[in-house]
Amino acid sequence: QVQLQESGPGLVKPSETLSLTCAVSGYSISSGYYWGWIRQPPGKGLEWIGSIYHSGSTYYNPSLKSRVTISVDTSKNHFSLNLSSVTAADTAVYYCARESEETGTADYWGQGTLVTVSS
Amino acid sequence: DIQMTQSPSSLSASVGDRVTITCRASQSISNYLNWYQQKPGKAPKLLIYAASSLQSGVPSRFSGSGSGTDFTLTISSVQPEDVATYYCQQSYSISRTFGRGTKVEIK
Repeated sequence: QVQLQESGPGLVKPSETLSLTCAVSGYSISSGYYWGWIRQPPGKGLEWIGSIYHSGSTYYNPSLKSRVTISVDTSKNHFSLNLSSVTAADTAVYYCARESEETGTADYWGQGTLVTVSS
Repeated sequence: DIQMTQSPSSLSASVGDRVTITCRASQSISNYLNWYQQKPGKAPKLLIYAASSLQSGVPSRFSGSGSGTDFTLTISSVQPEDVATYYCQQSYSISRTFGRGTKVEIK
């Protein structure tokens, strides 16, 4: 059974960098699929942040591209999100997910982690 | 970016009613359209992929249709456990986008 689990600080100060990790179990990242990040501000809808292919190729939401870096560590079977220069607008629940290479479908999701940007 | 327009934004239905949610893409996305169900406090769950394929384990009362720019999610007989927000998502473009969601409530 594929499982994903997000981890990282729940509170980040404005202008600093938000860093999260998604640990994957039940499937080897190096075997394939895209691995993505999606966020959801409190009471609002879903926003795709970006994805990384198992080979390391990255794809970002154009509106966030200048601030986002997604990386993968196949030896630890996890992938990470860095979002720089955060503001209160970046407060959200952050989800990691596995995305099908064929359909782009996010078939497995982490439970999500709330990150609050506040001083 | 491909914009996804969902309607309605919310609806209230009686148990057993047929419920239809629509999603329109700003350009043709072939059948690269997915539907997710999100219950309060939970992660989204995949219901339908490639416009009309039912994800394993999802009740058969859920179905999807459409291609190009216009898509539909149908719940043939809505149940109390279907109370949730439903999102469409296009995966035609590598820059994925979601609709704004449809909140389904039971009368």
